[in-house]
Amino acid sequence: ETGVTQSPTHLIKTRGQQVTLRCSSQSGHNTVSWYQQALGQGPQFIFQYYREEENGRGNFPPRFSGLQFPNYSSELNVNALELDDSALYLCASSSARGGSTDTQYFGPGTRLTVL
Amino acid sequence: RKEVEQDPGPFNVPEGATVAFNCTYSNSASQSFFWYRQDCRKEPKLLMSVYSSGNEDGRFTAQLNRASQYISLLIRDSKLSDSATYLCVVNPRSGSARQLTFGSGTQLTVLP
Repeated sequence: ETGVTQSPTHLIKTRGQQVTLRCSSQSGHNTVSWYQQALGQGPQFIFQYYREEENGRGNFPPRFSGLQFPNYSSELNVNALELDDSALYLCASSSARGGSTDTQYFGPGTRLTVL
Repeated sequence: RKEVEQDPGPFNVPEGATVAFNCTYSNSASQSFFWYRQDCRKEPKLLMSVYSSGNEDGRFTAQLNRASQYISLLIRDSKLSDSATYLCVVNPRSGSARQLTFGSGTQLTVLP
């Protein structure tokens, strides 16, 4: 196992609601990246957090936001949920050293269903 | 055009067969390349990095052709346990923000 944990495992929400997903990174890792994986697709990069700051963002609207805490755990918040937000949300933990990051290790994901 | 393109398959092969997956990427400045494996309803797991000189890990061989922007994965002597979706992954830029770009995956089923 990677040591990356995510909660909750599954979640059902309705359109317009807000959701918070959580991720605990692997011990010794200071970088967390979030990805959205729709059914039948590869994961898509949402954003990355390094030392509590956003450090790169993919093509997602501002209603997708995040936080990283001093212990390097992270949250993904999604406001005004839409049906298309139904997906597997993955966080990936890695260690940034010398200006680059090494291998990303994925957590088991949170499966979000929006009705 | 997608940044990373893969043949979605499915590939259905008998045990012991050799199977090859191909992938193309659009950003010529891409810095690093990987194959990840994803089992049904599980998270992606790193299978291997891909180096310019080509690299091998047991039954798995990965090749990179930067001029053609093409990556391949060869699996020899397929096992039932190799059944999974194989994701071609590219890091499109250097620097600290390692933003991985995934293909849609190629589904492999190894049949007894």
